Amino acid sequence: GQQVMQIPQYQHVQEGEDFTTYCNSSTTLSNIQWYKQRPGGHPVFLIQLVKSGEVKKQKRLTFQFGEAKKNSSLHITATQTTDVGTYFCAGSNNQGGKLIFGQGTELSVKP
Amino acid sequence: GAVVSQHPSWVICKSGTSVKIECRSLDFQATTMFWYRQFPKQSLMLMATSNEGSKATYEQGVEKDKFLINHASLTLSTLTVTSAHPEDSSFYICSAFGTANSPLHFGNGTRLTVT
Repeated sequence: GQQVMQIPQYQHVQEGEDFTTYCNSSTTLSNIQWYKQRPGGHPVFLIQLVKSGEVKKQKRLTFQFGEAKKNSSLHITATQTTDVGTYFCAGSNNQGGKLIFGQGTELSVKP
Repeated sequence: GAVVSQHPSWVICKSGTSVKIECRSLDFQATTMFWYRQFPKQSLMLMATSNEGSKATYEQGVEKDKFLINHASLTLSTLTVTSAHPEDSSFYICSAFGTANSPLHFGNGTRLTVT
């Protein structure tokens, strides 16, 4: 079945350093979504990418969707302590269908 | 925006008892809801897709007789963990799409502890 792999599992950075997490799917995706989960909380939607090669930015966050629509990345520039949490990518191979989540990348930021 | 309400937020039960978790879409109709389970430090694993007015679709390895799903209305889906055991202790989260092309909206989750 469809699998979504995400690396790294953990990332520890100094405040101000950049951070990137990568997501790869075993199948071509119709869309990919990114979520952030704080400890003890539920996943919160960040963004959805639909088009091949799409790049979207949200302040210090940059999201990319690969040309083949099988991989994606999230890059955070100049991390802050508020960026702490686990970032999940989630892929779907049909609109409105079930999402398969990657393993998540847990980000810790040292002040 | 679309709001999904989940209840209870946490529950502690004894081994062998059953626990019901409710998931409601507050400001939209959800013909489909998804139930996920998350163990500590792990990802969200899709358990089943709940379909209004029909049987749920379970993912491979998920026991349908143990995790009973009922989606009797367009705004309510329930997950009942039957004869719970300590290994069922986990964080259960429901979710739904507000519209066909909208992102997935999650409930706040239910932390189940079976003693």
